Amino acid sequence: EDQVTQSPEALRLQEGESSSLNCSYTVSGLRGLFWYRQDPGKGPEFLFTLYSAGEEKEKERLKATLTKKESFLHITAPKPEDSATYLCAVQAHQGGSYIPTFGRGTSLIVHP
Amino acid sequence: GAVVSQHPSWVICKSGTSVKIECRSLDFQATTMFWYRQFPKQSLMLMATSNEGSKATYEQGVEKDKFLINHASLTLSTLTVTSAHPEDSSFYICSASLAGETGANVLTFGAGSRLTVL
Repeated sequence: EDQVTQSPEALRLQEGESSSLNCSYTVSGLRGLFWYRQDPGKGPEFLFTLYSAGEEKEKERLKATLTKKESFLHITAPKPEDSATYLCAVQAHQGGSYIPTFGRGTSLIVHP
Repeated sequence: GAVVSQHPSWVICKSGTSVKIECRSLDFQATTMFWYRQFPKQSLMLMATSNEGSKATYEQGVEKDKFLINHASLTLSTLTVTSAHPEDSSFYICSASLAGETGANVLTFGAGSRLTVL
C-alpha cells in the first residue's frame, strides 16, 4: 500500500528564516511525486512534479528535491505570504487510473 | 494553464435535502475527475474517481447511493449529496487529471465547496 508521511505537521518561521519540509513515501513504481500548496478554504494549487531521484525544481523561494525515499521542499527566506498548508502526493502505477496518494500536509506559518 | 471551476463555493441546506456540486474543466477535456472530501486540518480523502461515460469508482466506505457522481461530458462532473445530514458537512473538492511528462497525471483542483447541513 502506498504511503506518504509529511513532517512536521506544523511549522512556524520568522520572515527570512529558511527551512525544509519533508515528505517520506513508500510506493511501488513511482510515477511522480507532487507538491501542492493549499490556502485556507481553497483547493490545492499545483507547485511541482518530480519524477526521478536526484531531480530538483525551483519556483521563486521554493525548491523541491527528490530521493528514492523522500522529498524535501526547501523554503528560502520565506515571507508571510508563503503561509499555507503544503501537501505532498505520490502517484504510482495502479491499473490505468494513476490515483494519487496524499500526505496530511505541513501547515506553515511565517511571521513578519 | 488548466482551470477547473467548482460551484457553488459554499452551500447551506436543511437536513434531508439534496445538494448538487458541479465541477467543470474550462479549457481542457478531462476524461477522469476525482472527488475529495477534506475535514478540518486533515488531508484530502479520495471519495471516488469519475470517468466520462461510465460509472464512478467509489473508494471503500463511501456510500454510492448517498454521493451520486455523474460525469456526462468531458468537461463536467457532478457530485450530488442525497438526503444530506449534519455529518455530511465538509469541504468537497474536485480535481481533473491532465497527463504530464512520463505519463504522470497532474491534478488541477477546483476551489472547493463548503457544505453545511443544518
